[in-house]
Parts: sequence; C-alpha cells; structure tokens
Amino acid sequence: NAGVTQTPKFQVLKTGQSMTLQCAQDMNHNSMYWYRQDPGMGLRLIYYSASEGTTDKGEVPNGYNVSRLNKREFSLRLESAAPSQTSVYFCASSPIGQGFGTEAFFGQGTRLTVV
Amino acid sequence: AQKVTQAQTEISVVEKEDVTLDCVYETRDTTYYLFWYKQPPSGELVFLIRRNSFDEQNEISGRYSWNFQKSTSSFNFTITASQVVDSAVYFCALSEQIQGAQKLVFGQGTRLTINP
Repeated sequence: NAGVTQTPKFQVLKTGQSMTLQCAQDMNHNSMYWYRQDPGMGLRLIYYSASEGTTDKGEVPNGYNVSRLNKREFSLRLESAAPSQTSVYFCASSPIGQGFGTEAFFGQGTRLTVV
Repeated sequence: AQKVTQAQTEISVVEKEDVTLDCVYETRDTTYYLFWYKQPPSGELVFLIRRNSFDEQNEISGRYSWNFQKSTSSFNFTITASQVVDSAVYFCALSEQIQGAQKLVFGQGTRLTINP
C-alpha cells in the first residue's frame, strides 16, 4: 500500500504565483486533512474534509482553497502565493466514522518556498 | 480551546542515556485521545502511540514507555537506553472532534539529538 501520497515533494514559487498541492490516499479513509508545519509551531490545520463532498476551514485557512475531488483525492490550492506561506505541508487521512481516536496517516510532506 | 505544550524545545544526550520528553495538554472534553508522533530527519511523520482519556495505564513498547497522568494533564514519553536512531523531532498531539472529523492539535515539538 502506498498510503498517503503527496506531490510535489519540493516547490519554489514566486510571490503571486499559484499552484495546487495534490494528495491521494488508497486506504479508503473518509476524512482527509491539510496541515502546515512551521518551525517552533508544530503542525496547524489548514482545511479538512470529513467525507467526500464536504470541506471545512481549520485553524489557518486564509490564502488557501481546497477541493475534495473524490474519496481518494484532496487538493490544496494557493491562489496567490505569499512568502508567509513558505512552509512544509502535510496531507493526512484517517478512517473517522469508524471510531473517534483513530490515528492519522500522513504523507511525506511538500516543502514549499515562496520567494 | 485545546492546547498542547512541549516545553522542551531541544534535548541532547549521549547514547545509552535515558531521556524523557514532556507533554502537557489542556482540554475541556471528557473523551479525548493523545498521540505521539516521531519525525526523523527524512521528514515523514511516524505514529508511535495513541492513548484514550479513560485508560491511565502506562504503556511500554521495547525501549519506549509512556506515562499518562490525568491529574496533571500530562502524557510523557521516555526512551530508555537511547540510540542514535532515536534522533528526531517528537510531537505530542491531542484529538479534537470536529464536524464529523478529527483534528489533531500538536505541540511545538521537541528536537531530540542522541550523540554517539
């Protein structure tokens, strides 16, 4: 099993450019998440999707949009990148709906630099 | 609001020493879960353990052990006889149920360096 796959692994953007981070999971999980990791701040939730067809804002949604394309795929879009969005982005999934408290499975991360 | 505090930003020890990583949490929920994740230098997040709020038994897995104390809202992680491969950033996290999903609230992380 591949688990959670994120693409790309690295990306450099110029301020104002747009891009989409892709995420796919093959574990038939209902819920998917996007987190960002910044030094000294742990991981913070950007957006999540409890199930196919639903998306909701997390703790730090400004500057981002998401699409739950189907049960497998959950993409994160930066419409106009800013230097403050330089971070490591993690996609995660969990089989919630089969029990609160299940572990989240994380992708390998995308290291994004906005110059 | 939920909060997780890992007061130790960085810890450095010599191989074979025991080391404890502290985690203190805040929540108003009566049912919750606590997690530890490891992030090695390669960058991925590796799940280590999950503990629910009703189970205060300590857990041991090889050289790893966890001490959950509800009275002090702490969920500390001890590595016995540390090894260089234990060098990583360790995150403690608290679950929060949201709109049919589960948010993880992470601590700031503790960077552990094991020196040979």
